[in-house]
Amino acid sequence: KAGVTQTPRYLIKTRGQQVTLSCSPISGHRSVSWYQQTPGQGLQFLFEYFSETQRNKGNFPGRFSGRQFSNSRSEMNVSTLELGDSALYLCASSPGTNLNEKLFFGSGTQLSVL
Amino acid sequence: LAKTTQPISMDSYEGQEVNITCSHNNIATNDYITWYQQFPSQGPRFIIQGYKTKVTNEVASLFIPADRKSSTLSLPRVSLSDTAVYYCLVGETDGTPLVFGKGTRLSVIA
Repeated sequence: KAGVTQTPRYLIKTRGQQVTLSCSPISGHRSVSWYQQTPGQGLQFLFEYFSETQRNKGNFPGRFSGRQFSNSRSEMNVSTLELGDSALYLCASSPGTNLNEKLFFGSGTQLSVL
Repeated sequence: LAKTTQPISMDSYEGQEVNITCSHNNIATNDYITWYQQFPSQGPRFIIQGYKTKVTNEVASLFIPADRKSSTLSLPRVSLSDTAVYYCLVGETDGTPLVFGKGTRLSVIA
């Protein structure tokens, strides 16, 4: 079974631009979660989608948004990029049916905002 | 919200057993305890999960006392490749997602 795939692996943007990151979950998984990881704040939860609906949302500004398609693939978008948005963005998938099920993470997209 | 507390960092020599303890005083009745491992520039990887007593798999053991207010991840005979950050998480019973703390940075020395 293929793992969670995130594209692109690296991205460089400038302040004010927007960016879209993509995540393809493990086949059969219906839940996709997004996390932001920075050296100072650690791993922070952004949002989770299940069957094309946002099920949970973390404490991030509205510039961060996401969506999920019918094939469970997910995208997250960050508009009006700020320097502080530089981070490793991780996507995780799971079947989505149990509260304590394990998450399968991708290798992430390293975003640098200049 | 069941928060967890674990040491910021630990050092160990190759071949030793490493025990990382996590405190979760407010754990709820239905919460499971899960540990993840993360290498630099990679996503976290599931190691082990348990509810009570002891769980063992091919990678690690998880010890959970009767009161479940703490848990200990045990890594037998660590090698240099076990150098990573280890996260302890407690499952939320209200459906909110897992909260990753800062984790424990384990450094294995030759």
